[in-house]
Amino acid sequence: GENVEQHPSTLSVQEGDSAVIKCTYSDSASNYFPWYKQELGKRPQLIIDIRSNVGEKKDQRIAVTLNKTAKHFSLHITETQPEDSAVYFCAAKTPYGNNRLAFGKGNQVVVIP
Amino acid sequence: EPEVTQTPSHQVTQMGQEVILRCVPISNHLYFYWYRQILGQKVEFLVSFYNNEISEKSEIFDDQFSVERPDGSNFTLKIRSTKLEDSAMYFCASSAGTHRRDTQYFGPGTRLTVL
Repeated sequence: GENVEQHPSTLSVQEGDSAVIKCTYSDSASNYFPWYKQELGKRPQLIIDIRSNVGEKKDQRIAVTLNKTAKHFSLHITETQPEDSAVYFCAAKTPYGNNRLAFGKGNQVVVIP
Repeated sequence: EPEVTQTPSHQVTQMGQEVILRCVPISNHLYFYWYRQILGQKVEFLVSFYNNEISEKSEIFDDQFSVERPDGSNFTLKIRSTKLEDSAMYFCASSAGTHRRDTQYFGPGTRLTVL
């Protein structure tokens, strides 16, 4: 089945700087890639997603890029703020099966004021 | 904005006991899921449910697990005889129909502790 890896496991950035989290996936047929943000004690919140027919998607300070050749996708957060501190999970979905998401292990992002 | 809800937030049980975890998906959604996350590990898919039947299950979802949609709003996960290794955070999720079924919305989770 699909295997998703996330790096780095922990990322500390100064407030105002950019943060980039990268995920790799194993199944070249995967066609949907969501990112979830989870603050301590709260539910995973979908923050952005991308489909395989698109190379980049942006929503205000958040962007996701997809490189299908290399089988990796990245989350970019610009002008980081303390409220961006959370665990970020990436996931991938293959076109077969029934919407099963394969998740990465999560990245702890710490924004230092 | 509608959200997926789950109860209880924390469940403590003795090994061998049955537990039922409850979820209320977003009201107009058609696809329902259970995932779990053992502490320090990845979120893992357990099962998906559509049109009142299981549409896919993982290798984790053995005969000890079952799911049910007993009425028009609840979606439950039952573990018949809990083991220590069932201790985890269990997340319910739901997605809408047709072209929006990719997008899954998660509940806050139930932390299950098996002693």
